[in-house]
Amino acid sequence: GAGVSQSPRYKVAKRGQDVALRCDPISGHVSLFWYQQALGQGPEFLTYFQNEAQLDKSGLPSDRFFAERPEGSVSTLKIQRTQQEDSAVYLCASSAGVSIGANVLTFGAGSRLTVL
Amino acid sequence: SQQGEEDPQALSIQEGENATMNCSYKTSINNLQWYRQNSGRGLVHLILIRSNEREKHSGRLRVTLDTSKKSSSLLITASRAADTASYFCATEGDSSYKLIFGSGTRLLVRP
Repeated sequence: GAGVSQSPRYKVAKRGQDVALRCDPISGHVSLFWYQQALGQGPEFLTYFQNEAQLDKSGLPSDRFFAERPEGSVSTLKIQRTQQEDSAVYLCASSAGVSIGANVLTFGAGSRLTVL
Repeated sequence: SQQGEEDPQALSIQEGENATMNCSYKTSINNLQWYRQNSGRGLVHLILIRSNEREKHSGRLRVTLDTSKKSSSLLITASRAADTASYFCATEGDSSYKLIFGSGTRLLVRP
């Protein structure tokens, strides 16, 4: 597609519910990233995929967070048993690859999660 | 943890004025990037400056980099109301793929 597409744009969940956030990166982009952005803050790195391989998940806050990209294109970020502190905007970004010398990211519009 | 920190946190100017935002970072870098984020949207890449460059221009944007002081500045000349947004600097973290963002400068351009 022309850009990075994320869905849903807005999600309200009750505490304890599971949620799944979808990211459709730019076609052909090898690298895919998930970031978490709290209100008034900069994005914080969550995880990185190169094709279908999850090479870095060091930023995932807890084992309730799980991300996958099984076919190397669409990715899903799943949060189990949501807590109020999970409320944030979840940003997905893709890039052509990091081997080209600089990693310039194209971001989606984000999924805003509110946990009540 | 955040590698880059921007200042000021917020900036309000009149349309037509110039806006300057600063970014400081902690460790050595290969390049530094600036992104813009309009309210409720994702981040948009503005400009990248490499560690061997001191200044770079793109339209009304001018970016400088001082590696000895570990700092960068973004200058927007002749600002417009449409420039109202948050601006973030980003540098590589402990890995070349991991961009670390600062907390941003919120710019308001008054018509």
